[in-house]
Amino acid sequence: DAEITQSPRHKITETGRQVTLACHQTWNHNNMFWYRQDLGHGLRLIHYSYGVQDTNKGEVSDGYSVSRSNTEDLPLTLESAASSQTSVYFCASSESGRSTDTQYFGPGTRLTVL
Amino acid sequence: GNSVTQMEGPVTLSEEAFLTINCTYTATGYPSLFWYVQYPGEGLQLLLKATKADDKGSNKGFEATYRKETTSFHLEKGSVQVSDSAVYFCALQDRAGNMLTFGGGTRLMVKP
Repeated sequence: DAEITQSPRHKITETGRQVTLACHQTWNHNNMFWYRQDLGHGLRLIHYSYGVQDTNKGEVSDGYSVSRSNTEDLPLTLESAASSQTSVYFCASSESGRSTDTQYFGPGTRLTVL
Repeated sequence: GNSVTQMEGPVTLSEEAFLTINCTYTATGYPSLFWYVQYPGEGLQLLLKATKADDKGSNKGFEATYRKETTSFHLEKGSVQVSDSAVYFCALQDRAGNMLTFGGGTRLMVKP
C-alpha cells in the first residue's frame, strides 16, 4: 500500500544546531507540504512543493528550508534550531493542483529544541 | 486571506449523545471544505469532504453540509462513541492553489 512516512518520530536537539526532518511518500504525488502544529494555532504551512526542483514558502517559513530532488522526498531543514521551533511537524502529499484533491498526512515528528 | 474558525473545545459528551462542531470560513471563490480527525499520537486522517455548495460529505456516521450562504461546514453525528474521542480540524482548500487552511481544532471527549 502507498504511504507517507516521516523520520525520526521524535527528536531532541540543542539551540543553534542544524536539524533535518525526512518525509517520504510512495503515492507518486506531485505535491508535498510541511506543516507545524502548535496548541491554539491548528496546523500552519511552512513550505510546499508542486514538483521536482519546485519549492515555495508558506505562512511560517522563516528559519526553515526544503529541497525537492525527486518525487518521493521533501526533507525539511532547520538551519539553526530555536526554542520557538519546538513543535510537532507533519508532512503531507496530494496528487495534483486541483482544489478537490485530498492531502494525505504522515504520522508526524515531535521536535524539542532545548 | 483565507481563514477558518471553529468552536473551541474541549467538548465533553456522554456516549450516544448528539454532536455538533461548528465551522465557518472566509475565502475568495469557491473552496473545497474538509474535516480531518487526529486520534491521540497519530497524524491527521481525512474524515469527510465537500467540494461544492450544498454537497454533503459523510463518513463513519459523521456528516457536514457545505453551506455557501452562511459560509459554514458544521460537523454532526447523531450518536457518538467513546472511540470518537479525538481532535477534529475543519479546513478549506482554495482554487488558486492546493494549500489547506486549518481551523484551530476542537478536542472531543466522549465518556462512557
